[in-house]
Amino acid sequence: DSGVTQTPKHLITATGQRVTLRCSPRSGDLSVYWYQQSLDQGLQFLIQYYNGEERAKGNILERFSAQQFPDLHSELNLSSLELGDSALYFCASSDPGTANEKLFFGSGTQLSVL
Amino acid sequence: AQKVTQAQTEISVVEKEDVTLDCVYETRDTTYYLFWYKQPPSGELVFLIRRNSFDEQNEISGRYSWNFQKSTSSFNFTITASQVVDSAVYFCALSEAPNTGTASKLTFGTGTRLQVTL
Repeated sequence: DSGVTQTPKHLITATGQRVTLRCSPRSGDLSVYWYQQSLDQGLQFLIQYYNGEERAKGNILERFSAQQFPDLHSELNLSSLELGDSALYFCASSDPGTANEKLFFGSGTQLSVL
Repeated sequence: AQKVTQAQTEISVVEKEDVTLDCVYETRDTTYYLFWYKQPPSGELVFLIRRNSFDEQNEISGRYSWNFQKSTSSFNFTITASQVVDSAVYFCALSEAPNTGTASKLTFGTGTRLQVTL
């Protein structure tokens, strides 16, 4: 158990809909990262938040947005969903600046867009 | 831009065989970190190792060993005496250096699926 909690584990929705994925980082970790794993794109970095502020952006679509709340949990919002958004979405957390910093991943949210 | 190449898409071995998973990376950074993650059939990503670019010592952890060669930009992973429980997809990843503020933004390879059979 990595200590990173993601909910829900599975999500099935229709095209055009909007969903919210939730992530609770490990206790004490200030950074939250979102990654998307799809068959055609592999594992791709989407966005990073550090202590409530956006720190880095990757290949995140404009239809997607994220935020990190004061209690450090994060949400990834996906809107106007398309079939191609079907993927496994991972959240990871870390404590930047520590001597042995590494990412701890949650078990992911499997999103199926029908 | 950073890039990680795992040329082996899938490897099948019989239990107790040794197997090496290849990883080649590209980066313009002089300081960087390399990682290996394991993704078992259950789907979660499990951290295996982190190595910084200044430390070229090989590392051994039980049946796992890693060979980092900066001269060839490779960070290969060997499993000795493989077991069925080693069956998983293994990802090599690269991250920028800490002083950029994005130390853990990882660039992943496409993964190597390892199948260990009896």
